[in-house]
Amino acid sequence: EVQLVESGGILVQPGGSLRLSCVVSGFNFRSFWMHWVRQAPGKGLEWVSRMNSDGSDTNYADSVKGRFAISRDNSKNTLYLQMNSLRADDTAVYYCAREDGDYTQDYWGQGTPVTVSS
Amino acid sequence: QSALTQPASVSGSPGQSITISCTGSSSDVGGWHLVSWYQHHPGSAPKLLIYGDNKRPSGVSNRFSGSKSGNTASLTISGLQAEDEADYHCCSYAGYDTWVFGGGTKLTVL
Repeated sequence: EVQLVESGGILVQPGGSLRLSCVVSGFNFRSFWMHWVRQAPGKGLEWVSRMNSDGSDTNYADSVKGRFAISRDNSKNTLYLQMNSLRADDTAVYYCAREDGDYTQDYWGQGTPVTVSS
Repeated sequence: QSALTQPASVSGSPGQSITISCTGSSSDVGGWHLVSWYQHHPGSAPKLLIYGDNKRPSGVSNRFSGSKSGNTASLTISGLQAEDEADYHCCSYAGYDTWVFGGGTKLTVL
């Protein structure tokens, strides 16, 4: 069974940093591209970032470019999102998702909540 | 990277059919055959219903179908059931290795 479990979400002050983790199981992690997607309270989903299977290529939404960094450790079946210079509008539930090889996020985790507030 | 446009809410009675629209542009919805739809019960993981505009993953009920015309994609749910009450999100590949989602639609089964 494919499983993705996010963790690391907490309450953090504006300007602070946070690292989210996503541990996966049930599939060959090192063969799949992975994404982070977020949902702010009362809003729709927003694509955040994507990394290829070996970690050599990354893409970011304009809203997080230069502040967030996606990474992965294929030996630990874990995807990360390093979030710096956090702002109130980064408050959201953050989901990791697997890409199926055809530009579609096919499996998702249940998300981890991040609140940026003083 | 403007969000795709979805109605905020739709409703229908059990057994009826409903359609949710998702409007973008020629840079996203209309430019690729890469629209996907997700069902999301709050607190749970989003579930893929439709990919590639109109393809259904194995295990997804054939009551869910996708279509597209120009820059507007649609999700139709036939034979509405109580368990279909959820949020529905569309997503499109937008080129240059970026993706764009819609604002989400809350489906109420009356």
